[in-house]
Amino acid sequence: DIQMTQSPSSLSASVGDRVTITCRASESLLKYLNWYQQKPGKAPKLLIYAASSLQSGVPSRFRGSGSGTDFTLTISSLQPEDFATYYCQQSFTTPLTFGGGTKVEIK
Amino acid sequence: QVQLVQSGAEVKKPGSSVKVSCKASGGTFSSYAINWVRQAPGQGLEWMGRFISIFGTANYAQKFRGRVTFTADESTSTAFMDLSGLRSEDTAVYYCATDLTGNWDFDYWGQGTLVTVSS
Repeated sequence: DIQMTQSPSSLSASVGDRVTITCRASESLLKYLNWYQQKPGKAPKLLIYAASSLQSGVPSRFRGSGSGTDFTLTISSLQPEDFATYYCQQSFTTPLTFGGGTKVEIK
Repeated sequence: QVQLVQSGAEVKKPGSSVKVSCKASGGTFSSYAINWVRQAPGQGLEWMGRFISIFGTANYAQKFRGRVTFTADESTSTAFMDLSGLRSEDTAVYYCATDLTGNWDFDYWGQGTLVTVSS
């Protein structure tokens, strides 16, 4: 199975900050990497697919980049509604696997 | 736009089975994959597999093979996940999620169904 490692596991940031979350795969994914946002008690929401494509309706402050084994999710200016946990997910091969998550908290 | 509505919470005994439903509205139900993802309390996300009713085919994660069965009723646009041999480690929120584009991502999600396994 492909192992997905996210870092950091948590971070504290203020409204307006630029936030970067990293996801590393145990083998090359080409660009088959997706990002989700999950708020407490809610289902995850797809933000970015195919490493850098913005899902419809997702604000442009979210940006995905990377290829191969190293990927990044950047929030350019953190908003109050962005405090949540973020997961990466590889769609290169089955079983589909997720990173452990990054919790973004208010500083 | 697709909406997925799942069945309610369940409490089950160890060794028993649970069947979770996921009713879809919008889109062409038979043509897209329905995935099942679970999340243990305070933990991350785990993919269990997927089902495409137009082909009648399921793809199960190795970890669950032999214990889980995916089915669907096209007449009601409802997908089902049946998990047998329940143990305490199966306590989790179970989500259904669509893959409308064939990208093997999860674009629409149900609200989740909490399954608690306890003696």
